[in-house]
Amino acid sequence: DAGITQSPRHKVTETGTPVTLRCHQTENHRYMYWYRQDPGHGLRLIHYSYGVKDTDKGEVSDGYSVSRSKTEDFLLTLESATSSQTSVYFCAIREGLAPYNEQFFGPGTRLTVL
Amino acid sequence: AQKVTQAQTEISVVEKEDVTLDCVYETRDTTYYLFWYKQPPSGELVFLIRRNSFDEQNEISGRYSWNFQKSTSSFNFTITASQVVDSAVYFCALSPGGGEYGNKLVFGAGTILRVKS
Repeated sequence: DAGITQSPRHKVTETGTPVTLRCHQTENHRYMYWYRQDPGHGLRLIHYSYGVKDTDKGEVSDGYSVSRSKTEDFLLTLESATSSQTSVYFCAIREGLAPYNEQFFGPGTRLTVL
Repeated sequence: AQKVTQAQTEISVVEKEDVTLDCVYETRDTTYYLFWYKQPPSGELVFLIRRNSFDEQNEISGRYSWNFQKSTSSFNFTITASQVVDSAVYFCALSPGGGEYGNKLVFGAGTILRVKS
C-alpha cells in the first residue's frame, strides 16, 4: 500500500464548470503523476510533478492545470469541464528517484461531465 | 516517441487453460523499462513486474511468467493454469530511460482477460 488517496472518488458535473481532483500521499514521494484512462487508449499522462511547485505537462494536458504546494498533495483542475474530459483519473507516485522504479496508483476518480 | 501495442483486445479462456498476453513495444531509447499492471473489476491498478532493457532474463512468479525478447521488441505475459480470479484487464507499459516526462509510463490499450469456470 503506497498510501495514495484520491478525492472525490466519483463526481458528476456539468459542462463549463470548474472541477478539482485531489491526490494525497503519505510517504513524501517526490514524483507524482496524473493519468486519464479511456477505452482503447489505456492510460495517458496529463501532468506530472517532480517536487513542490515543480510541474510539467504530459501528452494530453490541454484543458488541465495542476498545482503542488505541498509534497503530499497534487491537485488536478479542469478549468471549464467538457464532455471529452469524462474519464477515470488516476494519480500515481514513483518511489525514490531511480527512473526504473515502478509507479503505484491511487484508487481512481470517475468523472462524468454532462 | 514510444508506443506499446497490445493487439489482443479481449481473450476468453476456460479455467486451468494457459494463456499468453502479447505486448509489442517501440522505442528509440537504448535504456528503457517495461512493466505489466493488472486492473481487476474493482478498478485499482496493481503492479506485477518490471523489466530493464538490459536484462533479458525471463521471470517466473508462481503461475505467472514473462518472456522479454529485445530482438522482437516483445514482453509477453503467460498465466499458467488460469483461474477465475485472473479475470482482469492487463496493461503493458513502457518507461523511457532518459527522463522524458519524468519517466512517464506509456501504456498499451490493455487486454481484457475473461476466465470462465
